[in-house]
Amino acid sequence: GAGVSQSPSNKVTEKGKDVELRCDPISGHTALYWYRQSLGQGLEFLIYFQGNSAPDKSGLPSDRFSAERTGGSVSTLTIQRTQQEDSAVYLCASSLASYYEQYFGPGTRLTVT
Amino acid sequence: AQSVTQLGSHVSVSEGALVLLRCNYSSSVPPYLFWYVQYPNQGLQLLLKYTTGATLVKGINGFEAEFKKSETSFHLTKPSAHMSDAAEYFCAVSVGAGNNRKLIWGLGTSLAVNP
Repeated sequence: GAGVSQSPSNKVTEKGKDVELRCDPISGHTALYWYRQSLGQGLEFLIYFQGNSAPDKSGLPSDRFSAERTGGSVSTLTIQRTQQEDSAVYLCASSLASYYEQYFGPGTRLTVT
Repeated sequence: AQSVTQLGSHVSVSEGALVLLRCNYSSSVPPYLFWYVQYPNQGLQLLLKYTTGATLVKGINGFEAEFKKSETSFHLTKPSAHMSDAAEYFCAVSVGAGNNRKLIWGLGTSLAVNP
C-alpha cells in the first residue's frame, strides 16, 4: 500500500519568506508526527496530532512554526519568516495510534538562503 | 524524566564482523522499544520492535535486539556485517499510556562498514 508521502521533496527559499510543507499519512493512521533533522543530528520532535487535534506541540521551536491537520488526514507545517537556522530535513511520520510504530515519509529538505 | 542513550555516535566494523549498537533507556513504566535505520538520503525505516512477550526480537536484514529489563537495555546486534548495513541507526522508547504515549529518541549511531 501507499506509504507516507511528503511534498515538496526539496524547497529552497529566501530568508523571510513563508513556506508550507505537506504530509499525506498512511490511510487510517490516526496519529501524525512532525520532526526536524539537521545535518548530522538526531530527530527533533516538533508536534504530534491525534486525529485533528494536537495534544503535544511542545517541540515547536518558536511561534513562527505552526501546523494543522484536517479531516484526520493531510497535515501542513507552516514556517513563517524563515531564518537560515530553519534549514533542515523535515520528516513526517504516521502510526495507527500513538503507541504503535511510526512510519516515516522521505522528508522535505528545506534550504533557507 | 525518560531518556534514551545510544553509546557511541560512530561505530566502525569490518565486513563480516559482529555489529553491536548499544541503547539504554530510563523509564518508570514498561516501555515499548524500537530500532529504526536511516540509509543515506532516505527516511527512517523500522528495523524491529519490542512491545510484550519474547524479549529477543528479530527484525529485517538479519538484525535482532534483546530487551533486558534489569539492565534497561535494548542493544541491536547482527552476527555478520554487510557493506549495505552502513547507515544511521536510531533507538526509540515509547513511554506513557494510551493516546499520551510518545516516542523518546536517541541521538543515533552512525555505522560504517569497512571492506
